[in-house]
Amino acid sequence: QVQLVQSGAEVKKPGSSVKVSCKASGGTFSSYGISWVRQAPGQGLEFLGRIIPILGKPFYAQKFQDRVTITADKSTGTAYMELTLLTSEDTAVYYCARDQDGYNQEAQQYFYYMDVWGQGTTVIVSS
Amino acid sequence: SSELTQDPAVSVALGQTVTITCQGDSLRTFYATWYQQKPGQAPLLIIFDKNNRPPGISDRFSGSVSGNTASLTITGAQAEDEADFYCSSRDSRGEHVLFGGGTKLTVL
Repeated sequence: QVQLVQSGAEVKKPGSSVKVSCKASGGTFSSYGISWVRQAPGQGLEFLGRIIPILGKPFYAQKFQDRVTITADKSTGTAYMELTLLTSEDTAVYYCARDQDGYNQEAQQYFYYMDVWGQGTTVIVSS
Repeated sequence: SSELTQDPAVSVALGQTVTITCQGDSLRTFYATWYQQKPGQAPLLIIFDKNNRPPGISDRFSGSVSGNTASLTITGAQAEDEADFYCSSRDSRGEHVLFGGGTKLTVL
């Protein structure tokens, strides 16, 4: 069973950048996607973007597309999320998650889910 | 539309049945996916597709949809079910990933 292991907590200054890693342990990325989601203290979940490692092309949420870069190294089974121009509002726990799209033929309806999550990486932005 | 709307909080008596709803136009195209999150933990996938549960998820959890409203039903709520529940789907164009604001479930 694949596990996603993320890098450790970070404390950053406003205006700087952070790069969080997410390594697939016990398996590979295969044809799955890797999504990045964050959660500010006491708040809900927020999608930043995703990548399908075997394809390499990332997709970014519109809110973050000028500041986020998501990459994946197939050889090491590791995905990365870099966020630039940090402000205090970027203080959050950042999660990576394995994701998959699907289509229910009988119901003619699509579905999308994240079934394996990393443990989360706390990023604190403070002067 | 690019939003999923959930009630902020719901409570249920121990052993009773509770339904958590999620409303959004994207749910006419995409099934809602449901996640449970307990304090200090990563979200846990509990319902995906029409009404599928990953291995190890209790059959007390079930999902359904009607029009633009998805529902998560917990039958015979237990104390350990107390958590935040989030619905999610892609937007109607299948591009962005949406999350509802979350529903805090209290088991009384």
